[in-house]
Amino acid sequence: EIVMTQSPATLSVSPGERATLSCRASQSVSTNLAWYQQKPGQAPRLLIYSASPRATGIPARFSGSGSGTEFTLTISSLQSEDFAVYYCQQYNNWPLTFGVGTKVEIK
Amino acid sequence: QLQLQESGPGLVKPSETLSLTCTVSGGSISSGNYRWGWIRQPPGKGLEWIGSIHYSGSTYYNPSLKSRVTISLDTSKKQFFLNLSSVTAADTAVYFCAEGYYNWFDPWGQGTLVIVSS
Repeated sequence: EIVMTQSPATLSVSPGERATLSCRASQSVSTNLAWYQQKPGQAPRLLIYSASPRATGIPARFSGSGSGTEFTLTISSLQSEDFAVYYCQQYNNWPLTFGVGTKVEIK
Repeated sequence: QLQLQESGPGLVKPSETLSLTCTVSGGSISSGNYRWGWIRQPPGKGLEWIGSIHYSGSTYYNPSLKSRVTISLDTSKKQFFLNLSSVTAADTAVYFCAEGYYNWFDPWGQGTLVIVSS
């Protein structure tokens, strides 16, 4: 099973600032990586697939990069609606696995 | 616009079987590139993939749950199903169904909380 490690666990950021979230895979997943945003009481929402393309309707301030074992989700200028938990998920190998999440909170 | 909706009992007794239905609307359940998935989230914790099914009937299960999980589908009703047997309190979670396109998930259902308790 591929273990996905996200860091940091919590990121405190002021509105308008840049946020950088990391996701590391225990072995290469190529670019078969997705990012999701989850707000309290809601289902996760797909942000990024295949490591970098944005899902339909996702603002351009969200960007993904990386390949192999190291991935980054960047939110260029945090808006109030971006404070949430973010998960990465690999789909290169069965079983599909998620990271434990990074909580982005208001500083 | 594709929508998914989970349904089923919110309370299950220990040792019994948890059974959930996901109803798909606004699109087809029979498309070659889609695998329909179940994911769960224990209260206050992260996401765990349970398993997925292709419309052909091929199934893929998390080895950690494989001995207790069965996923099936009814294309005529545009529904797919989750059965999880011999449940314990550790199976208490919000259960989500989702459309898996090349195994990333979008969209998701709103989720349904299932509590395992006597």
